Amino acid sequence: LAKTTQPISMDSYEGQEVNITCSHNNIATNDYITWYQQFPSQGPRFIIQGYKTKVTNEVASLFIPADRKSSTLSLPRVSLSDTAVYYCLVGDRLVFGAGTILRVKS
Amino acid sequence: SQTIHQWPATLVQPVGSPLSLECTVEGTSNPNLYWYRQAAGRGLQLLFYSVGIGQISSEVPQNLSASRPQDRQFILSSKKLLLSDSGFYLCAWRWAGMAKNIQYFGAGTRLSVL
Repeated sequence: LAKTTQPISMDSYEGQEVNITCSHNNIATNDYITWYQQFPSQGPRFIIQGYKTKVTNEVASLFIPADRKSSTLSLPRVSLSDTAVYYCLVGDRLVFGAGTILRVKS
Repeated sequence: SQTIHQWPATLVQPVGSPLSLECTVEGTSNPNLYWYRQAAGRGLQLLFYSVGIGQISSEVPQNLSASRPQDRQFILSSKKLLLSDSGFYLCAWRWAGMAKNIQYFGAGTRLSVL
């Protein structure tokens, strides 16, 4: 089963683009990559999911290289309200690790 | 559209008292249902999941139990709460049989055992 590794925390400023990378060296052929966002005292919220190359929605973009051993969540022009914990999950594993704490400053 | 309801939002209980947290899902049939616990500043720990009525799988041995008396109802219980049961409890659902693992979470219950 693929294990994921993310940075513990990241700091950014309003208006900047933020890229959070997740490594998953043992990803299986059929595994999708899913990202969630969690605000304090709320449940995680699905942001984006992808299998390969690039996926974009109204919230974020997800970049997945050809070997699929990593993925990068890209948040364009972050605001203070994007301060949250971001989780990367791979495949069917229901494992939410510590995630990445993103702090956006003014 | 699908919605998930979880209550209560906060709960303060004395040690040794019973617990019952309820979660219901609307707008879907035969969902997979999940209970998670989150300690402060930590990730989510999967406690129980269910793929159907009366079918419960436990991930971690503990003082808690779960039941699914109806298709869209998931209940987390304890006969006697411990201090270590304090935490943020989250219920989630997922479309059954889907290859894409997307879960939808409730608002959570903050449990303080004193």
